[in-house]
Amino acid sequence: EVQLVESGGGLVQPGGSLRLSCVASGFTFSTYAMSWARLAPGKGLEWVSVISDRGDKTYHADSVKGRFTISRDNSKNTLYLQMSSVRVEDTAVYYCAKEAGHYGGNTGGNLDYWGLGTPVTVSS
Amino acid sequence: QVVLTQSPSASASLGASVKLTCTLSSGHSRYNIAWHQQQAGKGPRYIMKVNSDGSHIEGEGIPDRFSGSSSGAERYLTISSLQSEDEAAYYCQTWDTGIRVFGGGTKLTVL
Repeated sequence: EVQLVESGGGLVQPGGSLRLSCVASGFTFSTYAMSWARLAPGKGLEWVSVISDRGDKTYHADSVKGRFTISRDNSKNTLYLQMSSVRVEDTAVYYCAKEAGHYGGNTGGNLDYWGLGTPVTVSS
Repeated sequence: QVVLTQSPSASASLGASVKLTCTLSSGHSRYNIAWHQQQAGKGPRYIMKVNSDGSHIEGEGIPDRFSGSSSGAERYLTISSLQSEDEAAYYCQTWDTGIRVFGGGTKLTVL
């Protein structure tokens, strides 16, 4: 059974930093691309970042580019999202998701398993 | 850049059928998409991938009440024999190199 368990969310002040983690099980983590997405209060799902299976390709949405960094440790089956210079508008539940493909490219980009999410609140 | 458009809301009666639509932006009519369901307070759930030729591949454990289809730049999700637990937000999603895109979501109310 595929499981994705996020952690690391919480309350952070504007301009601060936070690192989210996602531990994966039930599939061969090192052979799939992984994504982060978020759901802000009263809004729809927004894709945040994607990383290839080997971690050599990363892409971020324009809204977080230069502030957030996606990474992974395949030896620990763990995905990370380092959030820096956070803003009030980054307040959301953050979800990790497994991709159907390997590269973060234009094939297999459907997100076929999701975690339950970890909430992040940016407020002073 | 590809954009996905969904109606903000839909409603249908218990036991009836409903067809949700996701429209791909101009020039992107051959993109494949995925449908996701998000019930209130829960994480999203992958429903299926719908290809531009209308073929579809359901996710794990998805009941056969859910089906997908395609016509031109439109991708559809049809839910038959509506149940109360189908009340949720439904998002379509597509992808290209280095980007994933969600539609704005359709909030389905089961009457």
